[in-house]
Amino acid sequence: ETGVTQSPTHLIKTRGQQVTLRCSSQSGHNTVSWYQQALGQGPQFIFQYYREEENGRGNFPPRFSGLQFPNYSSELNVNALELDDSALYLCASSLGTQNYNEQFFGPGTRLTVL
Amino acid sequence: RKEVEQDPGPFNVPEGATVAFNCTYSNSASQSFFWYRQDCRKEPKLLMSVYSSGNEDGRFTAQLNRASQYISLLIRDSKLSDSATYLCVVPAGGTSYGKLTFGQGTILTVHP
Repeated sequence: ETGVTQSPTHLIKTRGQQVTLRCSSQSGHNTVSWYQQALGQGPQFIFQYYREEENGRGNFPPRFSGLQFPNYSSELNVNALELDDSALYLCASSLGTQNYNEQFFGPGTRLTVL
Repeated sequence: RKEVEQDPGPFNVPEGATVAFNCTYSNSASQSFFWYRQDCRKEPKLLMSVYSSGNEDGRFTAQLNRASQYISLLIRDSKLSDSATYLCVVPAGGTSYGKLTFGQGTILTVHP
């Protein structure tokens, strides 16, 4: 176990709804990154949070937003859900933002949009 | 050209076989590379890091060819427990932030 937890484990929503996914980082880790993994694909980087600020973003529209809290836990919010948002959402925590800092992944939240 | 490309497989090999996966990347500024393993419906886990020309850990060997911009993973004496998806991962060039770019993944099935 990596010590990274995510909630909920599964979620079903309908198009147009909003969703909030949560991630608790491993103890001592100050950086959280979020990834979207569609079926049969590798994870795609959404964004990274470091000390409560967004520290880099991938090619995702503004309806994907996030937060990081003082205890380094994080939320991913997705507005106006679309069918293509159905995926496994993974968060990863690390001690620092550098490329060489190992990222530890949580078990993911599987989102289904109907 | 995709940032990271892998042969998706699947590779089906018998126990004890040697199998190799290749991965090509487009960002010549990348300095470090990773192989992650992902079991079915589980999260990715770091298998190996590659910072110079290569790295070896038991039955696993990763090699890096910067001139040709490819990374390989060799698994010797395959075990049933090696069955998984192997993800080639290339961090963003530079040290600004730890964005990881994943390949599609290569599926390996080891059979008795």
